[in-house]
Amino acid sequence: GAVVSQHPSRVICKSGTSVKIECRSLDFQATTMFWYRQFPKQSLMLMATSNEGSKATYEQGVEKDKFLINHASLTLSTLTVTSAHPEDSSFYICSALSGWTGNTIYFGEGSWLTVV
Amino acid sequence: ELKVEQNPLFLSMQEGKNYTIYCNYSTTSDRLYWYRQDPGKSLESLFVLLSNGAVKQEGRLMASLDTKARLSTLHITAAVHDLSATYFCAVERNNNDMRFGAGTRLTVKP
Repeated sequence: GAVVSQHPSRVICKSGTSVKIECRSLDFQATTMFWYRQFPKQSLMLMATSNEGSKATYEQGVEKDKFLINHASLTLSTLTVTSAHPEDSSFYICSALSGWTGNTIYFGEGSWLTVV
Repeated sequence: ELKVEQNPLFLSMQEGKNYTIYCNYSTTSDRLYWYRQDPGKSLESLFVLLSNGAVKQEGRLMASLDTKARLSTLHITAAVHDLSATYFCAVERNNNDMRFGAGTRLTVKP
């Protein structure tokens, strides 16, 4: 079946640095991908919608200059956390919309970010 | 704005017992999802409910959807320890993103 892969699965970075997380649709093309953030013991919150070839749409309260999203191809979206702070430590999960299977949404395995 | 309310938030069950998790949402939607999440893991898709009256079953779990009441339920039958996890309902919006409920943390005790 369709698979969405995220990389890295775990990353530790120092405060003030930037870190990039990739989301790939492995066997389908995804014109739309979504980025969610999940803090420990909380639910998933949508951060932004990533559209191939255009600017991402950010949810209210999400800083677009801090969380840079690039969707340069039909199989890859990247989330870059710039000037990371400890409060950015979270589980980041992407999902991808597959039009091939009736607009089915597939979730990636998630990426744990720890900022020290 | 679409709101999704899930209850209970915490559920401790004895093995062999039955229970229901409820998911209410505030606006009409085409699709409702149920996911399972184990600690430290991403989401595992359980059910997608597409229409009013839809009922789906997989093993000890059964999900239903009442679009008129804007209510979905996840029923657990004869719970076993392996069902211990956090369960989320999610409602898909028109632009295909999802609003998630707060999650129900289920613990099944022997």
